[in-house]
Amino acid sequence: SQQGEEDPQALSIQEGENATMNCSYKTSINNLQWYRQNSGRGLVHLILIRSNEREKHSGRLRVTLDTSKKSSSLLITASRAADTASYFCATAPGPSYDKVIFGPGTSLSVIP
Amino acid sequence: NAGVMQNPRHLVRRRGQEARLRCSPMKGHSHVYWYRQLPEEGLKFMVYLQKENIIDESGMPKERFSAEFPKEGPSILRIQQVVRGDSAAYFCASSGALAATGELFFGEGSRLTVL
Repeated sequence: SQQGEEDPQALSIQEGENATMNCSYKTSINNLQWYRQNSGRGLVHLILIRSNEREKHSGRLRVTLDTSKKSSSLLITASRAADTASYFCATAPGPSYDKVIFGPGTSLSVIP
Repeated sequence: NAGVMQNPRHLVRRRGQEARLRCSPMKGHSHVYWYRQLPEEGLKFMVYLQKENIIDESGMPKERFSAEFPKEGPSILRIQQVVRGDSAAYFCASSGALAATGELFFGEGSRLTVL
């Protein structure tokens, strides 16, 4: 079964709107990361939040982490057409934390 | 600085042939991960290697698949006697630290098509 599950599976918004994606996971983690994948390309790291952090910002990105609910959210503010991509959360699940597991992803379409 | 380099980018094989996918990690990185991605799906973990060691291969099929990361040279993912179900994009990622603490840097993938 998946360690991380993103929600929703697909999201379509107008340019300028905010996009929120959620991720739930099952086991304890050391950190949680978000990646972006443009069609046909490799993944690009966006942001990492550690288990002792609750919120983190990077430009137009805001990530929250709730370890009690085993969930995280990624907010992209003032979306642009160039934000159209798939977004994945990734965790290194305990107890060994030796591998990074990805969720199935959220496909975001930003309509100009 | 060169990023993670994967080759070939595209590979076509007939059923029963062998596929070899190569991954050169970023300079200074000693941790390599291989993932498989089917169309419209997420990445499935296959194997995690450090130089000359397989650390975790829990995602690798028991037969026909193998991986190595020698002291010198790229990491190799080898698929013997390919079948149509092996058609997928195979991504390699590297990191300079343990997965628990560092981000992964991905290559552009190798897309395998089995005829």
